[in-house]
Formats: sequence, structure tokens, C-alpha cells
Amino acid sequence: DTAVSQTPKYLVTQMGNDKSIKCEQNLGHDTMYWYKQDSKKFLKIMFSYNNKELIINETVPNRFSPKSPDKAHLNLHINSLELGDSAVYFCACKPSRGRAETQYFGPGTRLLVL
Amino acid sequence: QKEVEQDPGPLSVPEGAIVSLNCTYSNSAFQYFMWYRQYSRKGPELLMYTYSSGNKEDGRFTAQVDKSSKYISLFIRDSQPSDSATYLCAMVKAAGNKLTFGGGTRVLVKP
Repeated sequence: DTAVSQTPKYLVTQMGNDKSIKCEQNLGHDTMYWYKQDSKKFLKIMFSYNNKELIINETVPNRFSPKSPDKAHLNLHINSLELGDSAVYFCACKPSRGRAETQYFGPGTRLLVL
Repeated sequence: QKEVEQDPGPLSVPEGAIVSLNCTYSNSAFQYFMWYRQYSRKGPELLMYTYSSGNKEDGRFTAQVDKSSKYISLFIRDSQPSDSATYLCAMVKAAGNKLTFGGGTRVLVKP
């Protein structure tokens, strides 16, 4: 069983579309994250949720809306997709009392906007 | 200018050589330092972490932190083709829970 899974693995879509990517973890962790990794491998945090509550919201365009229906899931909805949204999006999780480095990353969702 | 700078490489070495990686940072608020390894089409995985200046060794890996120079290093001894990956440094500010990553260095170990 994969600890952190993301769906879909690959997503190719047209500019202007709305899409969602999903993350599920079976580690029982309370804190979940979304990261964006651009073509130069630069990995940057976008959001963090703890027990379904938003605790970190970096300066991300409001076209990006995270949603945590329960502790095990953190989804990311993106409206009006732009070319610059093309990247790999990683979900991560950790225990709420765990240090930052205890984050466990998912395999990534590769998004290509045409 | 990014808070954490890392040479993107690629760094190509023959099998058995020592791989030397480093990152510099500008914000002295960073207190905890990590190295992650990321294989192609996979998520990053934690390799080593250190909370203080000095050296920390784990098998073939040695992490080095020099807070006065704002410089961290990772050394891989007796490199293997399986070490071929992108290595990302990351750091956290005191009492923080947010990882700030460098851009990663791609390493290729040739048999």
C-alpha cells in the first residue's frame, strides 16, 4: 500500500480549463502539504493543512483552492489554468507534532498546460 | 535572489568517486538543515538532517554545516550508479514548520 498517493499521475489540459488533483495518505498524519516543483526542480510550498484547517498559505494565486474533506485527503483545484501552471505538484504529510523534515512526499502529479 | 542557492549541475562523476554538493543561504534565521534525494519521476525522500554546525555522518553520507558562512555540504563517498539522482538541500527557521528548498543538483554516477 502506497503511503501517500496522488491522482492523476499525469494531466495534460488546455489553457483556461479547471482541473483538480487529489492526494490521499494512509499514515494517519494530521498535517498535509501541497508543493509545486517547476521545470528547474525548484520545490516551493503552496499550502499546508493541519486537521483540515489551513495553516500555511503562501502567495499563491487565488485560482488555486485547496480542500481537505478529512485528515487523510487534501485536494487541489485549479481554475482557469495558465501555461505557467505547468509543473509537478507534490503532496506531503507529517505528524502534527513532527518536525518539518519528517514530511513524507507523494510521487507527484505532472501537469502540462497547453 | 532566492533564499537558498544550489548549483543545478549536472555533476557527472565516475563510480567510486566522492560526490561533493553544497548550498548557500542568505537568512541566518535558518537553523535546521536537510538533504533530500529525488529520483526521476519520484517524490523527494529525506536523506540526512542536522540541527547544528559541524559534521554528521551516516554510512557513505556526510553532511556538513557552517552557520557562520551560511554554507552546507553533502559528501557521498564511494559513489554508486544508484546514487544518480537530484539532491535537494532544505532548511527550516527556528520554531518553523516550513521547508525552504534549494533548486537541486542533478548527479550522475557513471559505471
